[in-house]
Amino acid sequence: LAKTTQPISMDSYEGQEVNITCSHNNIATNDYITWYQQFPSQGPRFIIQGYKTKVTNEVASLFIPADRKSSTLSLPRVSLSDTAVYYCLVGGLRGGGGNKLTFGTGTQLKVEL
Amino acid sequence: NAGVTQTPKFQVLKTGQSMTLQCAQDMNHNSMYWYRQDPGMGLRLIYYSASEGTTDKGEVPNGYNVSRLNKREFSLRLESAAPSQTSVYFCASSPSDGSSYNEQFFGPGTRLTVL
Repeated sequence: LAKTTQPISMDSYEGQEVNITCSHNNIATNDYITWYQQFPSQGPRFIIQGYKTKVTNEVASLFIPADRKSSTLSLPRVSLSDTAVYYCLVGGLRGGGGNKLTFGTGTQLKVEL
Repeated sequence: NAGVTQTPKFQVLKTGQSMTLQCAQDMNHNSMYWYRQDPGMGLRLIYYSASEGTTDKGEVPNGYNVSRLNKREFSLRLESAAPSQTSVYFCASSPSDGSSYNEQFFGPGTRLTVL
């Protein structure tokens, strides 16, 4: 399973764009990159997933360079409610054996007024 | 549609006691997972079940057993609880329908304290 490295914490203010970068140097060909968000006392929640280039949904964008050794989660115009821990995960379905995910310690994002 | 449910929400055990954490999903997902999360840390996979009738070890399986009772239910058993098993336990499920990667849906967690 590919290991990921991301900043321990980040601070931002409401209305700003936040970019969280994750490195995954030993990502495998079959691996996808997925980001989860976790609020205190809750289970993680899926944000976005991608394989290469750029993916955008209603809450975030995910930028993946050609070598796929890193990825950047972009949160546009954050609000106080975006204060949470964000996890970058790399993994994929291998031989029908289920999705084995490896969670690192994540990035604690704190958004202030 | 409740998603993933877990019982109990909280539990206090004494060292050596046993208990079973229950998890159920109503999304007709094939795969189910058990994770533990210790304070200030990410989630670690204990066991998973790729499909009904199969289970496999994750990263930290020692001290635990699992049962995939049917497609909906996946239980985690602590046969002889130890203080090191004090943690928050999350159950998750995913479709795993053969596409390359699937989102995992998490339950609300069970907070377990072993004295």
